[in-house]
Amino acid sequence: KAGVTQTPRYLIKTRGQQVTLSCSPISGHRSVSWYQQTPGQGLQFLFEYFSETQRNKGNFPGRFSGRQFSNSRSEMNVSTLELGDSALYLCASRGGAGADYEQYFGPGTRLTVT
Amino acid sequence: AQSVTQLGSHVSVSEGALVLLRCNYSSSVPPYLFWYVQYPNQGLQLLLKYTSAATLVKGINGFEAEFKKSETSFHLTKPSAHMSDAAEYFCAVDKAGTALIFGKGTTLSVSS
Repeated sequence: KAGVTQTPRYLIKTRGQQVTLSCSPISGHRSVSWYQQTPGQGLQFLFEYFSETQRNKGNFPGRFSGRQFSNSRSEMNVSTLELGDSALYLCASRGGAGADYEQYFGPGTRLTVT
Repeated sequence: AQSVTQLGSHVSVSEGALVLLRCNYSSSVPPYLFWYVQYPNQGLQLLLKYTSAATLVKGINGFEAEFKKSETSFHLTKPSAHMSDAAEYFCAVDKAGTALIFGKGTTLSVSS
């Protein structure tokens, strides 16, 4: 069974630009969550989508948005990039709602904002 | 509010020595607790999880953790460290079945 895939793996953008990251969950998984990892703030929850609906959202500005498609693939978008958005963005999928279902993480997308 | 504290940002052990990584949680309800490992330039891999079944949880690669409600702890141990265990380890608590709240992480170094 293929794991969680994220594309692209590496990305360099300039301040003020926008970026879209993609995540394909494990086949059959309906929940996709996004996390930001930085040296200073650690791992922080961005949002979760379940069956195309945002179920929960972390404490991030509105520049961070996401969506989920009918095949459970998810994208996250960051508009008007700032230097502080440089981070590893991790996507995680799980089979259903609730903590009984383990979250499986992808390898991440390393975003560098210059 | 739920939170996780990992004591010690860096732990160094010799190969063959006991590994002990500390994690304390704060939760108003019985928690679901997890330990993840991250190798350089990779995502997170689940080591083990506690879901209120057994207090002693066995995971992959010889790791185990014990849930102690009275101490609000979920420390990770491995009897004998291997060089390949060198990585960053994260303790996490599940928030209402949606988000994982992570600790700051502990970097484990293993020397020969």
